[in-house]
Amino acid sequence: DGGITQSPKYLFRKEGQNVTLSCEQNLNHDAMYWYRQDPGQGLRLIYYSQIVNDFQKGDIAEGYSVSREKKESFPLTVTSAQKNPTAFYLCASSWALYNEQFFGPGTRLTVL
Amino acid sequence: AQTVTQSQPEMSVQEAETVTLSCTYDTSESDYYLFWYKQPPSRQMILVIRQEAYKQQNATENRFSVNFQKAAKSFSLKISDSQLGDAAMYFCAYRTQGGKLIFGQGTELSVKP
Repeated sequence: DGGITQSPKYLFRKEGQNVTLSCEQNLNHDAMYWYRQDPGQGLRLIYYSQIVNDFQKGDIAEGYSVSREKKESFPLTVTSAQKNPTAFYLCASSWALYNEQFFGPGTRLTVL
Repeated sequence: AQTVTQSQPEMSVQEAETVTLSCTYDTSESDYYLFWYKQPPSRQMILVIRQEAYKQQNATENRFSVNFQKAAKSFSLKISDSQLGDAAMYFCAYRTQGGKLIFGQGTELSVKP
């Protein structure tokens, strides 16, 4: 089945630790995105990538890092510099920046 | 910068009735897309309907339709014959000419049997 997978569904980490969230797609999409969702707020763009080996900061990139070494993978690292990392993280992909985005099931990160 | 505002944090509708969710946006761009997404309790984001700004005709998808007022920068979603499965968080979103999606705060819709 074609789609976007995010793992794990729930993730717990201690404060001060870096953590990497996985996002994989087998839709052959060029563009991939990471969003953060907090209660009472809509999704906010963290990073996006139009093509392999290229990525751009979104609206709230501070404290996060990404890589795009393979077309199908776009991992997000939440670093210790992120002041409030507890949130729901959604990954998405699309054929190109101007096409419909398809979303993964999300990862709930809790920092203790 | 573009902004999207949903002024109704919560809405409720009786099963089989009609409900309208409001959305306003601000932009200086002339060509853009608007979307309504549904996020059920599973938290999977599902595209409900899209509207291209240059089209005057309002988009319709089965029981879902929009009222797009470009001059007023308003983009409301009407759900007809509401069903229990329509209960979810609904997000209005604006896609910039650069391809980025900007979301509103969301409206939580409950459907009463």
